[in-house]
Amino acid sequence: QVQLQESGPGLVKPSGTLSLTCAVSGGSIISTNWWNWVRQPPGKGLEWVGKIYHSGDTKYNPSLKSRVTMSVDKSKNQFSLKLSSVTAADTAVYYCAREFARPFYFDTWGHGTLVTVSS
Amino acid sequence: DIQMTQSPSSLSASVGDRVTITCRASQTISSSLNWYQQKPGRAPKFLIFAASSLQSGVPSRFSGSGSGTDFTLTISSLQSEDFADYYCQQSYSTPLTFGGGTKVEIK
Repeated sequence: QVQLQESGPGLVKPSGTLSLTCAVSGGSIISTNWWNWVRQPPGKGLEWVGKIYHSGDTKYNPSLKSRVTMSVDKSKNQFSLKLSSVTAADTAVYYCAREFARPFYFDTWGHGTLVTVSS
Repeated sequence: DIQMTQSPSSLSASVGDRVTITCRASQTISSSLNWYQQKPGRAPKFLIFAASSLQSGVPSRFSGSGSGTDFTLTISSLQSEDFADYYCQQSYSTPLTFGGGTKVEIK
């Protein structure tokens, strides 16, 4: 049973860079799945941030593309998110999620981590 | 981007009621539509994939239907544990997009 666990600072200053890591346990990150980040501002709906394949191939949400970088560390079985030039609008619970392939759906989610952008 | 529009945004219902939530895509997405349930303070839980296929372990009172642009999630007999937020999500093309959500509340 694959499990995901997000980690990273819960507070980031405006104009800074948000950095999160998602550790994958119970399975290998080298699979046919894509590894995603989804965020949810307090009291609002879900927004897809982007995804990465174990090869390093990435797809980002165009609304965030200029600020997002994702990477994968196969040796540590984890993947990461960096979001630069953050503002208060980036305050959200950030979830990592595995996307099962063909058909595509998010079948496994981390518990989520709240990141607050504030000085 | 494909816009996903859910309705209603909220509803009040009683235990035992039949509940229907609709999701409309701004362009055809074939059957590439998934449904999730989210309870307060929890991560979303995957319910239905490919518009109508129930995830293993999900109660049979949940069902999904539709194709093209119009989809529905039906709960045939609402149980107390079903009071939650529900989201549709299209997996047809990136950027992946979610509906705005439907809050199912106790009447």
